[in-house]
Amino acid sequence: KAGVTQTPRYLIKTRGQQVTLSCSPISGHRSVSWYQQTPGQGLQFLFEYFSETQRNKGNFPGRFSGRQFSNSRSEMNVSTLELGDSALYLCASSLTGHAAQETQYFGPGTRLLVL
Amino acid sequence: DQQVKQNSPSLSVQEGRISILNCDYTNSMFDYFLWYKKYPAEGPTFLISISSIKDKNEDGRFTVFLNKSAKHLSLHIVPSQPGDSAVYFCAASAGSSASKIIFGSGTRLSIRP
Repeated sequence: KAGVTQTPRYLIKTRGQQVTLSCSPISGHRSVSWYQQTPGQGLQFLFEYFSETQRNKGNFPGRFSGRQFSNSRSEMNVSTLELGDSALYLCASSLTGHAAQETQYFGPGTRLLVL
Repeated sequence: DQQVKQNSPSLSVQEGRISILNCDYTNSMFDYFLWYKKYPAEGPTFLISISSIKDKNEDGRFTVFLNKSAKHLSLHIVPSQPGDSAVYFCAASAGSSASKIIFGSGTRLSIRP
């Protein structure tokens, strides 16, 4: 079974631009969560999607948005990029979204550098 | 305010010895605890978990201990192997949703020959 894939793997943007990141979950998984990881920080929760509906959103500004499609693939968008948005963005999929009690499978991440 | 703290950013252990990674938490409502392992250029992978109703969970070379009174969690790896060199994140949850999982900042474990 193929794992979680994320595209692109690396991205360089300049301040003020916008970016779209993509995540394809494991086949059959309906829940996708997004996290931001910055140096020295743990993973910070961004959003969780289940069956095309956003179930939860983390404490991030409105510049961060996302969506999930009918095939469970998910995208996240960051508009008006700031230097502080430079980070590794990880997505994770699970069957039902009960992420504490069932295993979340993470993709390799997209490393975003904002100049 | 960090609810989950991993106070050691790095740890070096000799191959064959025991590795002990520590994690402290502040929220007494956490009821589920997890450890993830991350290699460079890969996403984190789930390692082991423990419910708050237990104080120990073992899976092969990996054992997690939970001390609720001290709000302390530890991961023991015995014996340590070169492939264990990675960053280890502890995480705690006060509910089942991914939004309820709080991650620590990670400990980089290096296994030396």
